Amino acid sequence: AQSVTQLDSHVSVSEGTPVLLRCNYSSSYSPSLFWYVQHPNKGLQLLLKYTSAATLVKGINGFEAEFKKSETSFHLTKPSAHMSDAAEYFCVVSERRQAGTALIFGKGTTLSVSS
Amino acid sequence: DTGVSQNPRHKITKRGQNVTFRCDPISEHNRLYWYRQTLGQGPEFLTYFQNEAQLEKSRLLSDRFSAERPKGSFSTLEIQRTEQGDSAMYLCASSLFEDTEAFFGQGTRLTVV
Repeated sequence: AQSVTQLDSHVSVSEGTPVLLRCNYSSSYSPSLFWYVQHPNKGLQLLLKYTSAATLVKGINGFEAEFKKSETSFHLTKPSAHMSDAAEYFCVVSERRQAGTALIFGKGTTLSVSS
Repeated sequence: DTGVSQNPRHKITKRGQNVTFRCDPISEHNRLYWYRQTLGQGPEFLTYFQNEAQLEKSRLLSDRFSAERPKGSFSTLEIQRTEQGDSAMYLCASSLFEDTEAFFGQGTRLTVV
């Protein structure tokens, strides 16, 4: 079975400083990995996805993630945090099921941004 | 708005009552998914449809839960004889095909009292 582990339940940064949200994955085959963001009272939104092409993936709003097979990691980064980045972030792996695939979510990391 | 729509947004019900939620996916999306999210956790997969066919049900989905997608468009999720442990956010998502981006609705928050 595939799984993801988000190493921090809560990350706090100051506006303008770098963001690092850590994620390790477990997969018996080359996985598809995603980062989703969830703002209060809004639906989950896809930030970026890795599907075995370039290992450095760029997403929306200045976020990017690097797939490192040797470390089984897929950490999310952003050079400079903005107040609007405060939200819940989920690392996700696509799992092959009986008749297709389903998304398997981590427990989430709450990002707080202070001024 | 052409996104995934879920109704109602909030539902409070007494233990033992039946509830039904509706999900309207993005038009022409073949795949429809249901997830459940409890406080402090990530969404957990419940079931999914390819058009009107229900392809798989998670072990999390007890016999009290049933989902349908009768015409391959909207879907309903029914919970019979609700229990307090059913209190959660129920999320619906749709995608055009397998392995394409899944778009999520805002969810239905169920509170069982």
